Order: sequence, then C-alpha cells, then structure tokens
Amino acid sequence: DTEVTQTPKHLVMGMTNKKSLKCEQHMGHRAMYWYKQKAKKPPELMFVYSYEKLSINESVPSRFSPECPNSSLLNLHLHALQPEDSALYLCASSRDDREGEKLFFGSGTQLSVL
Amino acid sequence: LAKTTQPISMDSYEGQEVNITCSHNNIATNDYITWYQQFPSQGPRFIIQGYKTKVTNEVASLFIPADRKSSTLSLPRVSLSDTAVYYCLVGDEGNYGQNFVFGPGTRLSVLP
Repeated sequence: DTEVTQTPKHLVMGMTNKKSLKCEQHMGHRAMYWYKQKAKKPPELMFVYSYEKLSINESVPSRFSPECPNSSLLNLHLHALQPEDSALYLCASSRDDREGEKLFFGSGTQLSVL
Repeated sequence: LAKTTQPISMDSYEGQEVNITCSHNNIATNDYITWYQQFPSQGPRFIIQGYKTKVTNEVASLFIPADRKSSTLSLPRVSLSDTAVYYCLVGDEGNYGQNFVFGPGTRLSVLP
C-alpha cells in the first residue's frame, strides 16, 4: 500500500463552522505533513510531524490546528476560517524527515470557505 | 524560502524530448535534488532524485554537473499526458535542511 488517503475530497464550510480534514497512510512512515495550495501556486508548507510530534509550524494561524493521534493518522482541525483560506489542502508522508526522503502525497481536500 | 529557480513555463510537442533546468546556486553539501510532477487537483508525485552525476529511471533522467549548482530533468518523447507542473526541490535555506519546501515550478504544456 503506497497510498496517502485524504478525506473528504471536497468541503464547503461557513466562517463559523468547525470541521476536520483527515489523512491516513499505512506505509509505516514516521513523518507527515500538511500543505496548503492556492490555484496556480506551489504547495506551501504548513506543519510537519515527526514521530507523532509537531516539529515544524510555519507560523500558521491558530484557526488551523493539527493533530497526530498515531503514526498512521493526521488531522487538521479548522475553526473560524476566512474566505482567503479556501485552497487545496494536501497531506504527505515520508519514511522520516531526514534529508533526501521522498514525499508521498494524497489527492488533497478542496476547501471552500463561504 | 526554497532556493531554486526554474523557468515559469515551457511548451513542447508530442514525441519531443523536454529538458527543464533548475538552478540552485546555494545548494548545501548534503542536499539531494528531487523532482516532483503535479497534475491539476492532485498532489505532487515523485519523479526522480539525485545527488550527483546522472540518474535514470523508467520515467526520466536527471543530469547534475560536478558543481551541483544546477540540474536538468529530461523527459524523453513526451506525450499529452505529461502536461503538468514540475517542481525541483533541494534543501531549504531557512530552518530546515530537508527538501520539502516547494519553489514556483515549471508549467509544461505538451501540444499535439
């Protein structure tokens, strides 16, 4: 199994809603990542988890809250988002977070904030 | 910030060889060079990775000169399905040495 599975594929939410994005991998990878991608822009790193601990937070607003319940799962909790947060949210994993490890990406969650 | 420079876009025709060059003048000694391909509304997909000289797999070749300040992704005989954005990644010059920070990428359009 070389897949990273993200759910839901599409999400529409209002600015007062609370929702969660989910990501799962069963490759035994110990590093997991959240990226945000706006249209025609490169993926922008948000968070990195290494061995279930948050190792990198790229100054992401607190309305985005990551969680890594175990080595296979990664969640992104969303609360009080703004319309400008509408984007494709990508999850990735790698064996660990050392130099040279290749990233495996999911297909993303297309988020629209109304 | 990613420390790579690539052409913003390229056009090619089916059956041609396409070479995309990435500049990384400040590459560190222990940095790998990794290329990803991304189709619309999908996550990036690993294509190839190298450290020095030449690497070849079933999809592409990667040429890296001795000074490692640039690298060239070579796609042989492209087809319409190779239309995508191609990203070159090396270690980030900020807080991390790992190559998971994306630069702007090259948008390749393959024409019939």
